Amino acid sequence: ETGVTQTPRHLVMGMTNKKSLKCEQHLGHNAMYWYKQSAKKPLELMFVYSLEERVENNSVPSRFSPECPNSSHLFLHLHTLQPEDSALYLCASSQMRDQPQHFGDGTRLSIL
Amino acid sequence: QKEVEQDPGPLSVPEGAIVSLNCTYSNSAFQYFMWYRQYSRKGPELLMYTYSSGNKEDGRFTAQVDKSSKYISLFIRDSQPSDSATYLCAMYCNPLYSGGGADGLTFGKGTHLIIQP
Repeated sequence: ETGVTQTPRHLVMGMTNKKSLKCEQHLGHNAMYWYKQSAKKPLELMFVYSLEERVENNSVPSRFSPECPNSSHLFLHLHTLQPEDSALYLCASSQMRDQPQHFGDGTRLSIL
Repeated sequence: QKEVEQDPGPLSVPEGAIVSLNCTYSNSAFQYFMWYRQYSRKGPELLMYTYSSGNKEDGRFTAQVDKSSKYISLFIRDSQPSDSATYLCAMYCNPLYSGGGADGLTFGKGTHLIIQP
């Protein structure tokens, strides 16, 4: 496989469920990112990891918890989400933080 | 004032026309400029990347940056129905040079482009 792969592609969950989103990059990049994409809004940066260390947390609610076990994998753990959290969640990676980012196809999340 | 302004469209043009997509920005610390294309149910795909004022050409695509006016453009020549997508502009500034702030890309909302066969 090449590029950035995200699983699952679609996820429906209740407000009390716990689930995780997975991202894997096969590009040898050193930085990885989580974004939220909602209709009619710009992409919102949620988390940045550089060399497996978190370097950015843009005031994201604690019900979202990232994990970066190595430079190729990134997880987003979800717990007690709200209906407004329904969105497309995109993972991206880049060689360095000031280099272009390459995106996966996202996980479409729906909260019931 | 939003940091990056982009008309959401939709912009509808006939096949073969020249398309002009634009973004304006307010933060003079932005250093790198990108254009992404996003098809329905897919992630954004990098089209163009530039860091200086002027033009950069790649096939049918030309990216133009005017830092003095804080304005960037993407031109598509000989547009095809397969170019129908949402086009996102994105900009990067290093917090070391901007006095802090979010480190990462700042995106426009995207312009929905429709090429009519």
